[in-house]
Amino acid sequence: AQTVTQSQPEMSVQEAETVTLSCTYDTSESDYYLFWYKQPPSRQMILVIRQEAYKQQNATENRFSVNFQKAAKSFSLKISDSQLGDAAMYFCAGSGGATNKLIFGTGTLLAVQP
Amino acid sequence: GAGVSQSPSNKVTEKGKDVELRCDPISGHTALYWYRQSLGQGLEFLIYFQGNSAPDKSGLPSDRFSAERTGGSVSTLTIQRTQQEDSAVYLCASSRKPGQGSYGYTFGSGTRLTVV
Repeated sequence: AQTVTQSQPEMSVQEAETVTLSCTYDTSESDYYLFWYKQPPSRQMILVIRQEAYKQQNATENRFSVNFQKAAKSFSLKISDSQLGDAAMYFCAGSGGATNKLIFGTGTLLAVQP
Repeated sequence: GAGVSQSPSNKVTEKGKDVELRCDPISGHTALYWYRQSLGQGLEFLIYFQGNSAPDKSGLPSDRFSAERTGGSVSTLTIQRTQQEDSAVYLCASSRKPGQGSYGYTFGSGTRLTVV
């Protein structure tokens, strides 16, 4: 079974500053993937970044990067140079196993202050 | 199509009525998933389809919920005798076949269901 935990219901950051969103997970799978999704008010789930568990190197996508600590089962998202458009709900998720279904955390609502 | 299409975008129904929600996945995506997102909550897995295999129905909350996928493409989620607690956003997602590298899913914009 998999579980994904996000312990920060809400976060706030000043424009141009850096913020880190936390996520921990638990899984019995040996081969799994971890994701961060962004959900703006439009409801559309947008893939921000993904990490293959077998890769030691942390994934990066422009201003977004992760800190993947496999032993600690931690998968945090760092947003650098925050922009007003980054304001949204962010979900951490993990997948693996035969069905590859995504298991989501409860989300972190990020506010960006001008 | 270029993305996952869901219809209707919004649906208001009376308690006790049946509703059907439609999902049209990305062409060539063999895996299709339904999720439910209640107000202020994360996404709850409902059901998974992969090709012609038997679906994984382990997330369906009650026997009032059912889903089918015709021809390996379009899927319909049906809720019978709707209750107020069924009010939520229902999201559909599709992906390439599991095991071919997990690129994550592509989600539709969801159907917001309101039961009054």
